[in-house]
Amino acid sequence: AQSVTQLGSHVSVSEGALVLLRCNYSSSVPPYLFWYVQYPNQGLQLLLKYTSAATLVKGINGFEAEFKKSETSFHLTKPSAHMSDAAEYFCAVREGGYQKVTFGTGTKLQVIP
Amino acid sequence: NAGVTQTPKFQVLKTGQSMTLQCAQDMNHNSMYWYRQDPGMGLRLIYYSASEGTTDKGEVPNGYNVSRLNKREFSLRLESAAPSQTSVYFCASMRAGDTEAFFGQGTRLTVV
Repeated sequence: AQSVTQLGSHVSVSEGALVLLRCNYSSSVPPYLFWYVQYPNQGLQLLLKYTSAATLVKGINGFEAEFKKSETSFHLTKPSAHMSDAAEYFCAVREGGYQKVTFGTGTKLQVIP
Repeated sequence: NAGVTQTPKFQVLKTGQSMTLQCAQDMNHNSMYWYRQDPGMGLRLIYYSASEGTTDKGEVPNGYNVSRLNKREFSLRLESAAPSQTSVYFCASMRAGDTEAFFGQGTRLTVV
C-alpha cells in the first residue's frame, strides 16, 4: 500500500533563505510522486511531479525536488524563499497503474521578512 | 477553460439534513475523486471513480454516497449530515494514462 509522510507540519524560514520541505514515501512499485501547493482558501495546484524520467525535477516558481530511491524520499527545495511562497504544501504518491492518489498531511510554510 | 467545477462553494447544514455536492470536469478525464481536507490530516480520499460506471471506496467513505452520473459529473451525497462531516471537500479528476490530478476550488461545508 502506498503512503506519504511529511516531516514538520509547520516550517518557518527567513525571506531569501533556503526552503526545504521533507517527504518520504512508501510504495510497493515504482511510484509517481507529486508536490502540490495550496494558497489560503484555494484549491491545490501542481508544483512538480516525478514520473521516472529525471530524478531531479524542476517545477514552477523556482521549486525543485529530487527523487532518491535509496532513501524513499522526495524532498522539495527552493534556494531563496520569497514572501509569496507562504502556503501549505502537500506531497502525494500514486503507484503506477493504480488510480488512487495518497496525500501527506501537509506542511505550512511561513516566510519571515 | 473551466477545468474542475464544484458547487456550491459554501454550505451550512443542520445535523440530519441531506445534501449533494456537485462536481463537473470539462477535460474528458476518465477518473474522478472526492477528498476531504481537515486541519493536520491532509487530504483523505472519500470515494473515487476510475471510469464512467464504476465507483470505489477510499479511506473515509462512511456517511457518504457517490454517483458517477456520466463521464463529466461525479456527485457526493451526505444522507444525514453530522458535525464530524464539517470539512472542506475537494473534487479532482485525472486523464487515463496521465499522472497527476487536477483539483476544483473546494466546497466549505459546516454542519451545526
